Amino acid sequence: EAQVTQNPRYLITVTGKKLTVTCSQNMNHEYMSWYRQDPGLGLRQIYYSMNVEVTDKGDVPEGYKVSRKEKRNFPLILESPSPNQTSLYFCASSPQAGVAKNIQYFGAGTRLSVL
Amino acid sequence: DQQVKQNSPSLSVQEGRISILNCDYTNSMFDYFLWYKKYPAEGPTFLISISSIKDKNEDGRFTVFLNKSAKHLSLHIVPSQPGDSAVYFCVKGNKLVFGAGTILRVKS
Repeated sequence: EAQVTQNPRYLITVTGKKLTVTCSQNMNHEYMSWYRQDPGLGLRQIYYSMNVEVTDKGDVPEGYKVSRKEKRNFPLILESPSPNQTSLYFCASSPQAGVAKNIQYFGAGTRLSVL
Repeated sequence: DQQVKQNSPSLSVQEGRISILNCDYTNSMFDYFLWYKKYPAEGPTFLISISSIKDKNEDGRFTVFLNKSAKHLSLHIVPSQPGDSAVYFCVKGNKLVFGAGTILRVKS
């Protein structure tokens, strides 16, 4: 089954404790991205990757890191989480980058609480 | 700068009637617009799109209308079904700029 898998689905942590949210897709997609969803703000892009070893900042990259060492994986790293990073996070992938009709396939989400 | 605005946080409709979800946008010349649907505890899924060279696109019960002069698009669902109850996001492609979403509740 074609899918984007995120882990964990739920995570409660404390300020300053490094964490990684994994994302994997099995569709051989070039493009992957991370979003956070906050009430009243829709989804905002954190980072995206056009292909292996090619990553770039989205609209809200502060406090996050990513890497794309393999095509299928795109982990999101919070080196020193803070309470304002409490949010619902989505990973997404799409076949190609830079096309206008950029239909992305989303994971089920990771709900993160930073205390 | 909010490039995509969905001014109605929620909408309640009776089963069988029409649901109309609205979206206003800024800063766009040639682009694609997409609607995504999201159920609780799931990620958004693509629903329907429209190119800025068109003014209407239809897919079954779902029709999207684009008014370029007013910079406005709308999603019509006819007839509405309880399974359509979800959050609907208006999205400006290609970088996927999301609106805040509208919660649609279809009452049976």
